[in-house]
Amino acid sequence: QKEVEQNSGPLSVPEGAIASLNCTYSDRGSQSFFWYRQYSGKSPELIMFIYSNGDKEDGRFTAQLNKASQYVSLLIRDSQPSDSATYLCAVKRSNTGKLIFGQGTTLQVKP
Amino acid sequence: GAVVSQHPSWVICKSGTSVKIECRSLDFQATTMFWYRQFPKQSLMLMATSNEGSKATYEQGVEKDKFLINHASLTLSTLTVTSAHPEDSSFYICSAAAGNSPLHFGNGTRLTVT
Repeated sequence: QKEVEQNSGPLSVPEGAIASLNCTYSDRGSQSFFWYRQYSGKSPELIMFIYSNGDKEDGRFTAQLNKASQYVSLLIRDSQPSDSATYLCAVKRSNTGKLIFGQGTTLQVKP
Repeated sequence: GAVVSQHPSWVICKSGTSVKIECRSLDFQATTMFWYRQFPKQSLMLMATSNEGSKATYEQGVEKDKFLINHASLTLSTLTVTSAHPEDSSFYICSAAAGNSPLHFGNGTRLTVT
């Protein structure tokens, strides 16, 4: 089992819709969770981080964390074509503090 | 916010030569920096953790003698790919964090070994 798992996609949504991206992780002791966006050929950029169970909202983005079920998700409201990218879920290992990435989900927002 | 600068952004070298990549934290001090590698259509794989003033710690399967890491100051870490081969061609990305804040990444270095 991979430490951090994501569906590679592609996930295709129409412009204006809600995009839902999911991630599961295996280290039950993990406390810190991150979502990065990566455009093709570019370095990842931080979108959101979440440490506590529940929802965290920032503009059009909402991160959701459920530690009991070991999943974290990212919702993108009013999706725009510029949101088309690969979204990487990352989890900080509880014992070493190292950040481990999932394989990423490719999102396509169609005009 | 935390800014991480990486140089060069791309490099082409001949097989058997060595390439040095620099990673700098511009507006904060980073006692720890991380080096990742990313092959096309794959995720980021952690290669090693660079610790200021001490030896780097490498992930399983990463050759420490091939990927030399030096973290000589609180704002600079370097990765040297020694005796590069075509299979080392990849996107190398460094990252750092100020204190307990989230990791920020440099712009990456695309290495092509011919």
